[in-house]
Amino acid sequence: EAQVTQNPRYLITVTGKKLTVTCSQNMNHEYMSWYRQDPGLGLRQIYYSMNVEVTDKGDVPEGYKVSRKEKRNFPLILESPSPNQTSLYFCASSLSWRTNEKLFFGSGTQLSVL
Amino acid sequence: GNSVTQMEGPVTLSEEAFLTINCTYTATGYPSLFWYVQYPGEGLQLLLKATKADDKGSNKGFEATYRKETTSFHLEKGSVQVSDSAVYFCALTSPGGSSGSARQLTFGSGTQLTVLP
Repeated sequence: EAQVTQNPRYLITVTGKKLTVTCSQNMNHEYMSWYRQDPGLGLRQIYYSMNVEVTDKGDVPEGYKVSRKEKRNFPLILESPSPNQTSLYFCASSLSWRTNEKLFFGSGTQLSVL
Repeated sequence: GNSVTQMEGPVTLSEEAFLTINCTYTATGYPSLFWYVQYPGEGLQLLLKATKADDKGSNKGFEATYRKETTSFHLEKGSVQVSDSAVYFCALTSPGGSSGSARQLTFGSGTQLTVLP
């Protein structure tokens, strides 16, 4: 089944403790992206990747890192999480950056930073 | 920059009622317009899209028409069902600023729809 898989589904952590949210897609998609969803703000893009080893900042990249060493994986790294990073996070992928409007989304990761 | 403004929710309707969710946008050039739907506990799914002025996107009984003169892309459905309860996001994408730049989606804030039996 074609899908985007995020883990974990829920995560509670404390300020400053490094964490990684994994994202994997099995559709051989070139384009991958991370969003955060906050009440009243919709989805805001954190980082995106047009292909392996090609990543770029979105609208709200501060406090986050990403890597794209393999086509299928695009982990989101919070080196030193802070409470303002408490949010619902979505990974998404698309066949290529040219068709990124048809995004396939993961089920989300609810992160709470205490 | 680009922006999308949606009507604020939540919206509560009875089954078989008519639905309209307003969406207006600000963008440079000629954006493509989209509606995404998020069912409880799931990620977003593309519902419909329109890529040029006067195009009508449609899917699952939902429709939206790209109106360039009013910069709008309102979502409509003639008769909603309980299973339509979800959050609806209007979005747009326009070409990146330089060659090779990714098209990036700009989302509205979302409208929660609840349909009662």
